[in-house]
Amino acid sequence: EVQLEESGGGLVQPGGSLRLSCAASGFTFSSFSMTWVRQAPGKGLEWVANIKSDGSEKYYVDSVRGRFAISRDNTKNSVFLQMNSLRAEDTGFYYCARARGLDDWGQGTLVAVSP
Amino acid sequence: DVVMTQSPLSLPVTLGQPASISCRSSQGLVCVDGNTYLSWFQQRPGQSPRRLIYKVSNRDSGVPDRFSGSGSGTDFTLKISRVEAEDVGVYYCVQGSHWPGTFGGGTKVEIK
Repeated sequence: EVQLEESGGGLVQPGGSLRLSCAASGFTFSSFSMTWVRQAPGKGLEWVANIKSDGSEKYYVDSVRGRFAISRDNTKNSVFLQMNSLRAEDTGFYYCARARGLDDWGQGTLVAVSP
Repeated sequence: DVVMTQSPLSLPVTLGQPASISCRSSQGLVCVDGNTYLSWFQQRPGQSPRRLIYKVSNRDSGVPDRFSGSGSGTDFTLKISRVEAEDVGVYYCVQGSHWPGTFGGGTKVEIK
């Protein structure tokens, strides 16, 4: 059974940083691209960033490019999202998802950016 | 980035009646690997998103057969043959063929 478990969310002040982690199990992690998706309170879904299976390519939505960095450790079956210079509009649930088709999702971790 | 445009924004439906949601992409979604990574997700109130359809027309395991997906090129459709009360929620299309992927704005399905 595929399992994805996000962690690392919390309350942070504007301008601060957080590092999200997603621990994967139940599949050959190194064979799949991974994606971070977020949802602001009461809003729709937004594709934030994704990384190819070997980490060779990374893509970001314009609103986070230069502030967020996606990475992965295939030896630990984990994907990360380093979030710097956080803004109020970054508040929301952050989900990690597997593969181009977003085949499986975690339960999400809540990021709240507030003074 | 590819823009995904969903319509309608809101869809009031009578129980037992069909419903249809449209999703249009700003460019074709055939990936270099030959697949079209167009999926549909359902999000019930207070719940995480759940995928219903992948690669345009493939139903995920456990998804009732009243849900179907179709389309090609830049035009895609999600159909519910007979809406049930449990189908209330927001539906999103998403493309993963061109990175970064992009979601449609969502369609809220509610019962009349």
